[in-house]
Amino acid sequence: EDQVTQSPEALRLQEGESSSLNCSYTVSGLRGLFWYRQDPGKGPEFLFTLYSAGEEKEKERLKATLTKKESFLHITAPKPEDSATYLCAVPAGNTPLVFGKGTRLSVIA
Amino acid sequence: DAGVTQSPTHLIKTRGQQVTLRCSPKSGHDTVSWYQQALGQGPQFIFQYYEEEERQRGNFPDRFSGHQFPNYSSELNVNALLLGDSALYLCASSPWVTGEYGYTFGSGTRLTVV
Repeated sequence: EDQVTQSPEALRLQEGESSSLNCSYTVSGLRGLFWYRQDPGKGPEFLFTLYSAGEEKEKERLKATLTKKESFLHITAPKPEDSATYLCAVPAGNTPLVFGKGTRLSVIA
Repeated sequence: DAGVTQSPTHLIKTRGQQVTLRCSPKSGHDTVSWYQQALGQGPQFIFQYYEEEERQRGNFPDRFSGHQFPNYSSELNVNALLLGDSALYLCASSPWVTGEYGYTFGSGTRLTVV
């Protein structure tokens, strides 16, 4: 069964303390892995799409990487405004996107 | 450029009632997907519309139905509401052939069933 698992469920960081979020997936024939940011009560906001193992993409303090089984979202020197839930998702079968449960990130000043 | 617009933003319904949620896709997008997001969970796919037809459907009962109009806007209808239908309902739009930027989501409609 196609599945997306994210860890940890929640992460609390001090401002400036770098860390990584994990997204492991099991899907036949990866057609892209998507990272989204979601603020409370809002819809997911697109961050990155990765297509092949070894690919990396960066945006400000965020860098996403992809292997054959998992993706990492690295957060370098985070700021309080980076606090949000980070979701990863993959297309699977006839489903446009199968989401993980997300990682709730809190960055404390 | 307006993104995805959803209405209403919040509503409260009584168990057994029916509800209609609305979505206007981002300009240039012709495909609309609906997702249900329960508190603390990731979004779950309900169904997708393209060319006014339901193209894909997730594991949701027939109480959930939809429609797409010629201007690409869409409605989600839920009949015989249950307490468990309380959730954030998200609309996402895209071109039929999704590219690198994937899907654009609206801010959602928060449905509370009492």
